Amino acid sequence: DIQMTQSPSSLSASVGDRVTITCQASQDISNYLSWFQQKPGKAPNLLIYAASNLQRGVPARFSGSRSGTDFTFTISSLQPEDIATYYCQQYDNLPLTFGGGTKVELK
Amino acid sequence: EVQLVESGGGLVQPGGSLRLSCAASGFPFNNYIMNWVRQAPGKGLEWVSYISPSSSIIYYADSVKGRFTISRDNAKNSLYLQMNSLRAEDTAVYYCVRGGKIEWEPPAVDYWGQGTLVTVSS
Repeated sequence: DIQMTQSPSSLSASVGDRVTITCQASQDISNYLSWFQQKPGKAPNLLIYAASNLQRGVPARFSGSRSGTDFTFTISSLQPEDIATYYCQQYDNLPLTFGGGTKVELK
Repeated sequence: EVQLVESGGGLVQPGGSLRLSCAASGFPFNNYIMNWVRQAPGKGLEWVSYISPSSSIIYYADSVKGRFTISRDNAKNSLYLQMNSLRAEDTAVYYCVRGGKIEWEPPAVDYWGQGTLVTVSS
């Protein structure tokens, strides 16, 4: 199985801050990586697919990039509605596997 | 608008059975791969099972293999998960999750239902 190592597990930031989350795959997954946002009590919501493609309707302050097996998710200017837990997920192969999640809180 | 609505969760004793359902609408269900993904309380996400549009290709996570059975009824736009020999560690919110259209492409997922809670406890 492909392991996804996500960091940090939590972070605290202020409104307007740039927030960065990283995810490392245990093997080459090409660009088959998605980022999901999950708010408390809600289902995950797809933000980014294929490492850097913004899902329709998702604000442009969210972005993703890839360097080899390392993936980065960025919120360019944190907004109050972005408070959530974020997960990376590889879909190069089954079983689909997820990172451990990053809880983003307001400072 | 894509909608996925799960039902069938509840409290069940260890060793018991439960059948989850997912009603799909807003897209051509019979063209799409479907998955079940679960999330234990306060924990991360774990993929459970995959079924191709024609039901010809099915996969399970090792943790549920031999105990869970995924199925679908394209005429009813519905996805199912039959769960037998339930254990405490199966306690989780179970999500119905839409995949792609083509089995031989990487199995991306996009839309998720709101989930149904399964609690396994005596």
